[in-house]
Amino acid sequence: DAGVTQSPTHLIKTRGQQVTLRCSPKSGHDTVSWYQQALGQGPQFIFQYYEEEERQRGNFPDRFSGHQFPNYSSELNVNALLLGDSALYLCASSKWVGELFFGEGSRLTVL
Amino acid sequence: AQSVAQPEDQVNVAEGNPLTVKCTYSVSGNPYLFWYVQYPNRGLQFLLKYITGDNLVKGSYGFEAEFNKSQTSFHLKKPSALVSDSALYFCAVRDPLDSNYQLIWGAGTKLIIKP
Repeated sequence: DAGVTQSPTHLIKTRGQQVTLRCSPKSGHDTVSWYQQALGQGPQFIFQYYEEEERQRGNFPDRFSGHQFPNYSSELNVNALLLGDSALYLCASSKWVGELFFGEGSRLTVL
Repeated sequence: AQSVAQPEDQVNVAEGNPLTVKCTYSVSGNPYLFWYVQYPNRGLQFLLKYITGDNLVKGSYGFEAEFNKSQTSFHLKKPSALVSDSALYFCAVRDPLDSNYQLIWGAGTKLIIKP
């Protein structure tokens, strides 16, 4: 049984560019949450998708957007990248309000 | 306001000794409590949770946690530490009465186990 898978694992972008990160949830899970984790910090909640809709959103600007597909997979898009967007982006899946299962993350570096 | 506190940035323990990583919380209702572990450059792994029932919860890798309602604490424990337990540990809480449903995360505690 595959767990949560994320791609790409690492990527480098320059300021102003756009990035798309992808996540496939654990089998049987219908909810995907995205987190940003800066170096040495705890995870910060970006948003959560359930039934293809954004259900909850953290304190992140509109440059951060997402999507959930009918197969429950999800994408995180970040536009107009800033240096401060450099972080580990974590995807977590769950059965609605069950415990979260995390992927290994996508390490984004913005130069 | 809901919050989670991990009062120690770092905990140092000798291999074979018992370890405790502390977590206290503040929520309006009866909390759902979680512990996660993160190894370097990896995602977070679920260790254990408390929803209801016995105050002592057993989880993965020999870890356990004790829910103490009067002290609003949920400390993570292990009877005998291993060097491989060295990692970053996060406590998280959810208030089931909060329609937000989101986990509130502690800042994390770095656990270092010395041989």
